[in-house]
Amino acid sequence: GAGVSQTPSNKVTEKGKYVELRCDPISGHTALYWYRQSLGQGPEFLIYFQGTGAADDSGLPNDRFFAVRPEGSVSTLKIQRTERGDSAVYLCASSFIGREHEQFFGPGTRLTVL
Amino acid sequence: AQSVTQLGSHVSVSEGALVLLRCNYSSSVPPYLFWYVQYPNQGLQLLLKYTTGATLVKGINGFEAEFKKSETSFHLTKPSAHMSDAAEYFCAVTSRGSYIPTFGRGTSLIVHP
Repeated sequence: GAGVSQTPSNKVTEKGKYVELRCDPISGHTALYWYRQSLGQGPEFLIYFQGTGAADDSGLPNDRFFAVRPEGSVSTLKIQRTERGDSAVYLCASSFIGREHEQFFGPGTRLTVL
Repeated sequence: AQSVTQLGSHVSVSEGALVLLRCNYSSSVPPYLFWYVQYPNQGLQLLLKYTTGATLVKGINGFEAEFKKSETSFHLTKPSAHMSDAAEYFCAVTSRGSYIPTFGRGTSLIVHP
């Protein structure tokens, strides 16, 4: 079956603009995670969804970042008033509830803020 | 807070040589431990994990890792490197009762012909 997909694969925007990054999890996976991977670093946790609700958003760096998952499947990470420091690869992962230690990762969206 | 240290941002080996990628963690209790591999422009793929039981864990592509509690280590090894093993490798740790891994900074494995 299909893995986790993320769109777009690359996004270039200008400082101050709004961006949306999309994640399609593996079918049947009710847990969904967003991570951010800066150059030369490992992924850092942003937010975790169980179904439609955000179970843990402690990793979101500030209120410019927001994520939704209205129907418990596709999720969108939204970044307002982008800054150059937001440039990174944004990774999405999904898993079954209760199998959080078996997360499947998507290929990521590379965001570049000019 | 737990942390993960991967010694060496780059490791270079010859094809056929032993691969050793080092990972040490800090945790007050034995955690869950993982190794992921990331090929260019791809997502992370789980190589292997330790949760409980046997401390020597075998994963995909001939990799294995040993959990050593006394050394707080979880080093990744492979007896014979292939060119296709060239990639970025990440060690990660999750506290028991948590679901969010803390990743190391990664080690880039370079394989020379």
